[in-house]
Amino acid sequence: TQLLEQSPQFLSIQEGENLTVYCNSSSVFSSLQWYRQEPGEGPVLLVTVVTGGEVKKLKRLTFQFGDARKDSSLHITAAQPGDTGLYLCAGRLNKFYFGSGTKLNVKP
Amino acid sequence: GEEVAQTPKHLVRGEGQKAKLYCAPIKGHSYVFWYQQVLKNEFKFLISFQNENVFDETGMPKERFSAKCLPNSPCSLEIQATKLEDSAVYFCASSQFGGVEQPQHFGDGTRLSIL
Repeated sequence: TQLLEQSPQFLSIQEGENLTVYCNSSSVFSSLQWYRQEPGEGPVLLVTVVTGGEVKKLKRLTFQFGDARKDSSLHITAAQPGDTGLYLCAGRLNKFYFGSGTKLNVKP
Repeated sequence: GEEVAQTPKHLVRGEGQKAKLYCAPIKGHSYVFWYQQVLKNEFKFLISFQNENVFDETGMPKERFSAKCLPNSPCSLEIQATKLEDSAVYFCASSQFGGVEQPQHFGDGTRLSIL
């Protein structure tokens, strides 16, 4: 079983819609990172959250770390085709544990 | 360099052969991580180094897999007597320090295909 469960696994939406991706665990993490990966490339870091309840914004992306530091969400407002990719959360205990990813497809 | 450089991009081996993958971390980065990404996108941690010292090897299969980071050389991940299940994309990442906020910078991976 995965330490970090991501949902949904797949998401296909129209340009302009909003979406939220969830990353849940029963473990408490010292930090949590979100990455985006495109085909044939390595993941690229979007954000790191460290404090319980922390909210960070990156343009149209909003990241939240749960109060208990066991879960996180990524919300995208007015999605664009350029947001298409695989979104991965990674929680740090003694090492990084990755979620299974959410494949997002934004149709023009 | 400014990017993590992994070579080769694609490696094909027959079952039972040896496979060796290389990773040059970003200059000045002290930590190197190896991950295995299989078909369902799951990233499995293999091993990490702090400079040339093994930092955490709890993800490494005990047999067949070995890794090194020697001074003035690219890091390497070697798989002896490969099996079909070793087919995956192997990613290397580096970070400057080991703190909880430190970003990992990933290379573009080596796709290993075992036939």
